[in-house]
Amino acid sequence: SQTIHQWPATLVQPVGSPLSLECTVEGTSNPNLYWYRQAAGRGLQLLFYSVGIGQISSEVPQNLSASRPQDRQFILSSKKLLLSDSGFYLCAWSVLGPDTQYFGPGTRLTVL
Amino acid sequence: SQELEQSPQSLIVQEGKNLTINCTSSKTLYGLYWYKQKYGEGLIFLMMLQKGGEEKSHEKITAKLDEKKQQSSLHITASQPSHAGIYLCGADKSGNTGKLIFGQGTTLQVKP
Repeated sequence: SQTIHQWPATLVQPVGSPLSLECTVEGTSNPNLYWYRQAAGRGLQLLFYSVGIGQISSEVPQNLSASRPQDRQFILSSKKLLLSDSGFYLCAWSVLGPDTQYFGPGTRLTVL
Repeated sequence: SQELEQSPQSLIVQEGKNLTINCTSSKTLYGLYWYKQKYGEGLIFLMMLQKGGEEKSHEKITAKLDEKKQQSSLHITASQPSHAGIYLCGADKSGNTGKLIFGQGTTLQVKP
């Protein structure tokens, strides 16, 4: 069966520090991968999606970037965190584009 | 752009009571997803609806998509404390792309 992992589970970072969040999927090959952010008052918002290694599409302009160095690994990064980057970051995968997306446990990021 | 509006925003019901959560779209829905989230955790997939008039059930939860494919409802029969959480509807942003947008969520509390 497929499983999705995210780490760390929680993170507290100072403003201006770098960020790296990791997501890995097991039990499937060539999944579509997604990064979402859930922020207070702004709901759940799609940030990036990837259909393959090295293929990243950004949905909203922001202070973040994503990379997919391996088939089942998706990384969310920032060079300098802003206060507005605080939120709950969720990774998701699907087999095909319009198919059901399955979410990871999330990372709670607090920027101080 | 397409938006999803959920109602009510929050709901408190007595255990054993039935309840309905609605999700309305400003545009035709190509795929409508219902998820449940416990605070601070990832999203759990409940059901997906694609065809107008479609109805699906799982245990005591029934989801329907209207014929015009612009409104969906989630009905819980004989609610239990285990049903408590945040219910989110999601839809494909531009039709079979895999890019989901979400409603703001409905927070459900079930009083024993």
